[in-house]
Amino acid sequence: GEDVEQSLFLSVREGDSSVINCTYTDSSSTYLYWYKQEPGAGLQLLTYIFSNMDMKQDQRLTVLLNKKDKHLSLRIADTQTGDSAIYFCAESPGGYQKVTFGTGTKLQVIP
Amino acid sequence: NAGVTQTPKFRILKIGQSMTLQCAQDMNHNYMYWYRQDPGMGLKLIYYSVGAGITDKGEVPNGYNVSRSTTEYFPLRLELAAPSQTSVYFCASSGSENTGELFFGEGSRLTVL
Repeated sequence: GEDVEQSLFLSVREGDSSVINCTYTDSSSTYLYWYKQEPGAGLQLLTYIFSNMDMKQDQRLTVLLNKKDKHLSLRIADTQTGDSAIYFCAESPGGYQKVTFGTGTKLQVIP
Repeated sequence: NAGVTQTPKFRILKIGQSMTLQCAQDMNHNYMYWYRQDPGMGLKLIYYSVGAGITDKGEVPNGYNVSRSTTEYFPLRLELAAPSQTSVYFCASSGSENTGELFFGEGSRLTVL
């Protein structure tokens, strides 16, 4: 079945860039997502990328997709303490098809 | 702007008890989902529904049941609670047939002792 893998933890200093990595196995993935979960809250969509794109930029966020290696990354520029959260990579064939989530990467931002 | 509302937020159950986690959405979304989140394990899909009257099993359905009599409501029933069902449960909905963006509730933390 589909599998999405991420490292569990990342620590960065405030003002530095953060890079969170993800690998997936399903070659039929059409949409790849990054969700953010703040403490005690549900997940919220940060951004997504179509599988036919290799980069998407949205303010401080840059998503890179290497479809050949099935590797997705999320770069957060000028990381702030408010960025401390768990970040989930996810993939889906599209539409209402089941979304498969990774284990989540806990980002700790040190002031 | 209620979005997806889950109740209760916290609950402690004894082994063998039953309960229903409630989920309601006011966005007229066709698709609704129940996930459980365990530490270091990500989110696992329990059940999902593509519309009123239609439900289907996800990855980890054992020990749970769902119903979808209306578009708005998608309750999750635990019949005989077991310690393995201690988890945080999230209800989500989606109205997009393209991007599949999920809108999540705030979660229900369940402890079975």
